[in-house]
Amino acid sequence: DAKTTQPPSMDCAEGRAANLPCNHSTISGNEYVYWYRQIHSQGPQYIIHGLKNNETNEMASLIITEDRKSSTLILPHATLRDTAVYYCIVSGAGSYQLTFGKGTKLSVIP
Amino acid sequence: EPEVTQTPSHQVTQMGQEVILRCVPISNHLYFYWYRQILGQKVEFLVSFYNNEISEKSEIFDDQFSVERPDGSNFTLKIRSTKLEDSAMYFCASSMDRGAEKLFFGSGTQLSVL
Repeated sequence: DAKTTQPPSMDCAEGRAANLPCNHSTISGNEYVYWYRQIHSQGPQYIIHGLKNNETNEMASLIITEDRKSSTLILPHATLRDTAVYYCIVSGAGSYQLTFGKGTKLSVIP
Repeated sequence: EPEVTQTPSHQVTQMGQEVILRCVPISNHLYFYWYRQILGQKVEFLVSFYNNEISEKSEIFDDQFSVERPDGSNFTLKIRSTKLEDSAMYFCASSMDRGAEKLFFGSGTQLSVL
């Protein structure tokens, strides 16, 4: 699986959009970009995933660059409950395992 | 929303003892997983299970680990002879389809080996 690079930490003001970047320059054509988050010591929670098109769901939007070497997770209106570690993971379709990195610790500030 | 349930939430055991961690995956899911997270470290894949057999396992999942789906609802992780370094949070997960898409994780079992 391709390696990802994320900033170790970010702050965001409550109510503002949180934009979390991820670099995955070695991604291959059949690999997806997945985002999960982990709130405190709870189990990871799926957020969104995409292959090459931008995606949006009730939680977030995922913007993938045209060359697919990087992506951005957008939380449109961050709340205090969005404070968590966010993981960007690249994995092939049909892979059995997720390889978690250190992620980005997002702190939403009142 | 359906959820993955893990019991117990905390387990304390003596080194060398056997432990069984239990999980009830989401009822219509077909793929089952165990991950672990040592305090302050990354979440690590242990094993995936499908159609009553292991489909993939990591180097961590050595001979002292085993998994079982003893009935239609439970999924267990057994550690035969626990070591101090097995102390970690163990997460069970399940999914409808193979792959990283939409894994649903439980809240974990904190295992402490003394």
